Amino acid sequence: NAGVTQTPKFQVLKTGQSMTLQCAQDMNHEYMSWYRQDPGMGLRLIHYSVGAGITDQGEVPNGYNVSRSTTEDFPLRLLSAAPSQTSVYFCASSLNTGLGYTFGSGTRLTVV
Amino acid sequence: KNEVEQSPQNLTAQEGEFITINCSYSVGISALHWLQQHPGGGIVSLFMLSSGKKKHGRLIATINIQEKHSSLHITASHPRDSAVYICAVNYSGGGADGLTFGKGTHLIIQP
Repeated sequence: NAGVTQTPKFQVLKTGQSMTLQCAQDMNHEYMSWYRQDPGMGLRLIHYSVGAGITDQGEVPNGYNVSRSTTEDFPLRLLSAAPSQTSVYFCASSLNTGLGYTFGSGTRLTVV
Repeated sequence: KNEVEQSPQNLTAQEGEFITINCSYSVGISALHWLQQHPGGGIVSLFMLSSGKKKHGRLIATINIQEKHSSLHITASHPRDSAVYICAVNYSGGGADGLTFGKGTHLIIQP
């Protein structure tokens, strides 16, 4: 099925560990973005990309890296996990910013 | 900081009632989105609006650009409509690209 695929769905990390959250879409969307969702805060933009080779920071980028080597994939890297990064992470894509968005099913990350 | 305000935060209603959820924003936008998030966590895009009104089944979304306000209406509400409804906007004129979200309205429809 066409859409946005996020892996893993659940992950527990120890403080200081690194990991990569995967996001892939098969709709040839140029625009991809990562958000985190925390209780009482709503969703917040971490990083986004308007096309392969182009990335930029969102509202809460600290502690996260991204790259966009292909149109399809937009991985999010946690360099040294901290308990403050415990959250639910969503990847979304769109043909262009300002058009309709398709969201992945989310990754629930716990850092202990 | 550009903000998106939603009201009410929580709403409990009886099956069949007409539901209205409101969203207001602070500066000019290029688009406004209404999203639905069920208890399982997945987020589904319901509407994208830049002007006027859109309808899909029992859901209606309206936007008033001059007043910087949008409403989501649900007619003949049903327990399966129970979810969190989230308003989000694309602000025009630069800054971080992507969506700015409201905190969501938690809707419960009782049978």
